Amino acid sequence: DAGVTQSPTHLIKTRGQQVTLRCSPKSGHDTVSWYQQALGQGPQFIFQYYEEEERQRGNFPDRFSGHQFPNYSSELNVNALLLGDSALYLCASSSTGVYTEAFFGQGTRLTVV
Amino acid sequence: SQQGEEDPQALSIQEGENATMNCSYKTSINNLQWYRQNSGRGLVHLILIRSNEREKHSGRLRVTLDTSKKSSSLLITASRAADTASYFCATDAGGGADGLTFGKGTHLIIQP
Repeated sequence: DAGVTQSPTHLIKTRGQQVTLRCSPKSGHDTVSWYQQALGQGPQFIFQYYEEEERQRGNFPDRFSGHQFPNYSSELNVNALLLGDSALYLCASSSTGVYTEAFFGQGTRLTVV
Repeated sequence: SQQGEEDPQALSIQEGENATMNCSYKTSINNLQWYRQNSGRGLVHLILIRSNEREKHSGRLRVTLDTSKKSSSLLITASRAADTASYFCATDAGGGADGLTFGKGTHLIIQP
């Protein structure tokens, strides 16, 4: 049973460019959340997708957008990249329910130069 | 912003000793989860404790939750070199719908 998979593992982009990160959830999970983790910090919630809709959003600008597909996989898009967007981007999947564990992928390390 | 605060920020102990990490949070929660992260890679889920539970065990891990003090602790008994990692607590206020709110983590080093 594959866990949460993310691609790519590493990415280098130039300021102003756009980037798309991908996530496949754990089998049986229908909810995908995205987090940004800056160096030395804990992960920060970006948004969550369920039934192909953005359900909740953290304190991130509209440059951050996402999508969920019918097979529950998800994409995170970031436009007009800034140096401060350099971080580890983590995808977590879970199933609906009140007490539900979130399982994380290995992350995508994004470096903006 | 971070809701939780782990304490201490860093902890170095000898192999075989017990390690205790604490977490405080600010708002009401549905559940609290502990995660481990090795070398800035993905987070590994360790344990989930519900708001109506006070203590939970999983192997060498023991987690306590005091909702009146808005605090939790993670105890790792008989530590091993492989336990060296960063440990994060994460609170869930909305039953999974609002995402998890993480603290800054405790970096644990187990000396052989």
